[in-house]
Amino acid sequence: AQSVAQPEDQVNVAEGNPLTVKCTYSVSGNPYLFWYVQYPNRGLQFLLKYITGDNLVKGSYGFEAEFNKSQTSFHLKKPSALVSDSALYFCAVRDKGGADGLTFGKGTHLIIQP
Amino acid sequence: NAGVMQNPRHLVRRRGQEARLRCSPMKGHSHVYWYRQLPEEGLKFMVYLQKENIIDESGMPKERFSAEFPKEGPSILRIQQVVRGDSAAYFCASSPPAGAQYFGPGTRLTVL
Repeated sequence: AQSVAQPEDQVNVAEGNPLTVKCTYSVSGNPYLFWYVQYPNRGLQFLLKYITGDNLVKGSYGFEAEFNKSQTSFHLKKPSALVSDSALYFCAVRDKGGADGLTFGKGTHLIIQP
Repeated sequence: NAGVMQNPRHLVRRRGQEARLRCSPMKGHSHVYWYRQLPEEGLKFMVYLQKENIIDESGMPKERFSAEFPKEGPSILRIQQVVRGDSAAYFCASSPPAGAQYFGPGTRLTVL
């Protein structure tokens, strides 16, 4: 079975500072990894994905994530946070050889303070 | 290019009634997924469909829930005889083969 852990319910960052939202995963095979963002009363917006290739993946709105196979992690990062980045962030995984449904973490509330 | 469309956005039902949730995938996407989100929780996979076929329904409750994706028209998630525990946000996503999933705005179901 596959699983995703987002160890922090909430992350607080001052505007302009770098941010990191943590994600670790567990799959039996090779993973597809994704980050999504959800604003209040909205659906999920796709940010970025790792399928294969470079471990550093760049996505929308200046976000990037680094795939670390040895640590089974896929942390989301941004060099300089904006107040508008405040939202709920979900990490998701899919086993390349397994079912197509995504397994999501519980989400991390990111709060950017002006 | 319109994104994934879901309707209605909000649905109120009384216990015992039926709920029908509709999803139109993005143009060119042949794969549809349904997820349920309970308050303060992540999304839980329910079912994965391609046109006229259910590929994976491992996340669907065994009773009262069904899904279809007909040759023509939207995908439908149907919940019969709703109970209060069915109250949640239901999200549909679509993707091309082996691509990222793009989500609709969701349908918020409230069971009174």
